[in-house]
Parts: sequence; C-alpha cells; structure tokens
Amino acid sequence: DIQMTQSPSSLSASVGDRVTFTCRASQSITIYVNWYQQKPGKAPNLLIYGATGLQSGVPSRFSGSGSGTDFSLTISSLQPEDFATYYCQQSYSTPYTFGQGTKLEIK
Amino acid sequence: QVQLVQSGGEVKKPGASVRVSCKASGYTFTNYDISWVRQAPGQGLEWLGSISAHNANTKYAQRYQGRVTMTTDTSTATAYLELRRLRSDDTAVYYCARDYTTTWPGIFDYWGQGTLVTVSS
Repeated sequence: DIQMTQSPSSLSASVGDRVTFTCRASQSITIYVNWYQQKPGKAPNLLIYGATGLQSGVPSRFSGSGSGTDFSLTISSLQPEDFATYYCQQSYSTPYTFGQGTKLEIK
Repeated sequence: QVQLVQSGGEVKKPGASVRVSCKASGYTFTNYDISWVRQAPGQGLEWLGSISAHNANTKYAQRYQGRVTMTTDTSTATAYLELRRLRSDDTAVYYCARDYTTTWPGIFDYWGQGTLVTVSS
C-alpha cells in the first residue's frame, strides 16, 4: 500500500497568514493526489484534485502543487472558516490511502 | 443538487453484522462509482472499497476482503455497505462518497453525512 505522510501534524496560524501543508508519498504517484478539508463532526470536503485542480466552488485562496512524491497545499490568506483538519489522499492505486491529517488551529 | 443521505447510527455487539445505506439524489446514479470511507474516533480516514453503480463491479481494500460486501440498488439509487464479524475496533463513522468520475476514480467529490457504528458488548 502507498503510505501518505503529512507534516506537520498540527499548525497554529492567524487570520491573514499564508500557510502551507506538505504531503509525501512512499512512491511516485505522479499527480494523483487530492486534498480535503474536514471540520469537526462533518464529512470531508474536496478542495484540490489531481495535485493542482481547484474543485468547483472552492475559494481561489486554496492552491495545490507538486508531482511525484512531494505535494503541498497552500492557503494564501487564512480566513476564520479555514480552521480545520486537512488530509491528502492518493488516487494512484487501490487501496486509496490518506495522510494522517494536519490540524490547523488559531494562534 | 447532489445529495448522499445515509442511514442512522447503529449499535452492534462483537461478532454481529451491520448494514449501512446511502441514498443518492440529484444526479444519474449509474454514471458514478460509490466509495466507502471510515473514520475511527479521533483518527484519520480509511478507504474500505468502492462499487460501480453501473455494473456493480467492486474493489475492496485487502484487509476487509471476506468481511465486507458493497451492493447497489439502481431502482432506488441506493448503495449499501455490509460489514460482518464486527470487532470493537470497527467502531467508527462510516461515510459513503461519490467518485468524481469513472475515468479518474478515487476522487471523492460528494460525501454522505456519515453513520456512526458502535461495536460494544
């Protein structure tokens, strides 16, 4: 199975900050990485697919980059509603696997 | 609008089976796959498997082979997850999720609200 490793596991930031989450795959997955946001008690929400594709309805302050084994998700200017947990996930091969998540907290 | 509405929470004893349903609306059911993902309390996300609503072909995560069955009823646009021989570590919220496209599977663009399955003696 492909392992997805996210760093850091938690991150404190302020409204207006630029933040970047990283995700590393245990083998090359080309661009088959997706990013989700999850708020407490809610289902995950797709933000980015195929490493860089912005899902419809997702604000343009979210962006993704990377290929091969190293990927990142950036929020250009944090808004209050962005404080949540973020997961990367590979869709290169089954079983589809997720990273352990990065919890974004208010500083 | 696309909606996936799941059945309510379940409490089961170890060794029992559970069946969770996921009713789809707002799109052509047979044009997309449905995946099932679970989340143990305070933990991350784990993919259990997926089913094509078009031809009922399934892909299961190896660790669940033999314990899980995914089915669909196209007449009611409903997907089902059955998990057998439940253990306490199967306690989790179970989500159904729609695959973004059948040509690029594994991208989950719509999710159900989740069903809490509690396994306890």
